[in-house]
Amino acid sequence: AQTVTQSQPEMSVQEAETVTLSCTYDTSESDYYLFWYKQPPSRQMILVIRQEAYKQQNATENRFSVNFQKAAKSFSLKISDSQLGDAAMYFCAYRSGGNAGNMLTFGGGTRLMVKP
Amino acid sequence: DADVTQTPRNRITKTGKRIMLECSQTKGHDRMYWYRQDPGLGLRLIYYSFDVKDINKGEISDGYSVSRQAQAKFSLSLESAIPNQTALYFCATSDLRRGRRDEQFFGPGTRLTVL
Repeated sequence: AQTVTQSQPEMSVQEAETVTLSCTYDTSESDYYLFWYKQPPSRQMILVIRQEAYKQQNATENRFSVNFQKAAKSFSLKISDSQLGDAAMYFCAYRSGGNAGNMLTFGGGTRLMVKP
Repeated sequence: DADVTQTPRNRITKTGKRIMLECSQTKGHDRMYWYRQDPGLGLRLIYYSFDVKDINKGEISDGYSVSRQAQAKFSLSLESAIPNQTALYFCATSDLRRGRRDEQFFGPGTRLTVL
């Protein structure tokens, strides 16, 4: 079974600064996807970014980028130019590749606080 | 209108009561999921369904049951609620037709408190 670990229960960042959230995972599979989800106080789960394991290039979405280290099984999220609206819980998630299923395995989450 | 809706949004109940959480979607997706969220544990899969006739247990199905009444509706039941089922519950959907590219879309969540 796959496991996902987020070792930072809480992080804080000054507005306009950069912060990196860590995620490690354990799997014996070679074909998989990794995701970062944001959960603001509204509780809504919002997909921030996704990475396909077979792609070597790190995914980016505007101010959000990842550092995907497949050999180390590490998948960190970098948020640049942090904004007050970035304050939320962030979850890292794993999904097996192929079409046999789409079940997500989540990490425990990191609460990000943004200081004005 | 929201594509994935959950009712109720909040519920307080007592130990031993039967309770049903409902999920409806207008996205036309065939796959539906129920997760629960606990502090420090993230979201864990309870049940999932790939179509109306397909129901599968997830990681933590004990104490729960589900019903897929139609493609658009997926209900989660707690037959006899207990306090450690106090959690935030999420329904999610995904589209088989997208194959490897499908992603899950989440409802707004139901906060359940069992006293």
